[in-house]
Amino acid sequence: ETGVTQTPRHLVMGMTNKKSLKCEQHLGHNAMYWYKQSAKKPLELMFVYSLEERVENNSVPSRFSPECPNSSHLFLHLHTLQPEDSALYLCASSQITVGELFFGEGSRLTVL
Amino acid sequence: DQQVKQNSPSLSVQEGRISILNCDYTNSMFDYFLWYKKYPAEGPTFLISISSIKDKNEDGRFTVFLNKSAKHLSLHIVPSQPGDSAVYFCAASPGGGADGLTFGKGTHLIIQP
Repeated sequence: ETGVTQTPRHLVMGMTNKKSLKCEQHLGHNAMYWYKQSAKKPLELMFVYSLEERVENNSVPSRFSPECPNSSHLFLHLHTLQPEDSALYLCASSQITVGELFFGEGSRLTVL
Repeated sequence: DQQVKQNSPSLSVQEGRISILNCDYTNSMFDYFLWYKKYPAEGPTFLISISSIKDKNEDGRFTVFLNKSAKHLSLHIVPSQPGDSAVYFCAASPGGGADGLTFGKGTHLIIQP
């Protein structure tokens, strides 16, 4: 596989469920990101991991919990979500010093 | 407070003509600008970028123009092709790092045959 892959592509969950989104990059990059895309809103940066350390957390509610076990994998653990959390969640990777992000295809999350 | 603004949610252009997508920014610290293209059910893909030391960057049918004094950039696509129909996101960063990217809301470009 090449590039950035995300699983699952679609996820439907209830407000009391616990689920995780997974991202894997095969580009040898040293930074990984979670973005949220809601309808008619800009892409919102949620978390940044640089060299496997979290360097940014943009006031994201604690019901979203990221994990970066190594430079190639990134998870987003979801717990007690709200319907307004329904969105497309995009993972991306990059070399830290370079502005270009490489995105995965996204995980479409629906919270009932 | 939106620091990167794409004021046109959608744009319709006839095939073969020029498509011009606009983007305005408010943060004077931004010095690196990118355009991303997104098809439905896919993640955004990098299209073209420009550093603040330049005012124009060209790559095939795509040209990005930067007007620093007006805090404005534009993406020109000539000639427009049906495959160019997509959502285009403008993004800006201070210092060029990917971790500081701020995105606009996107413009949906529709190329009509």
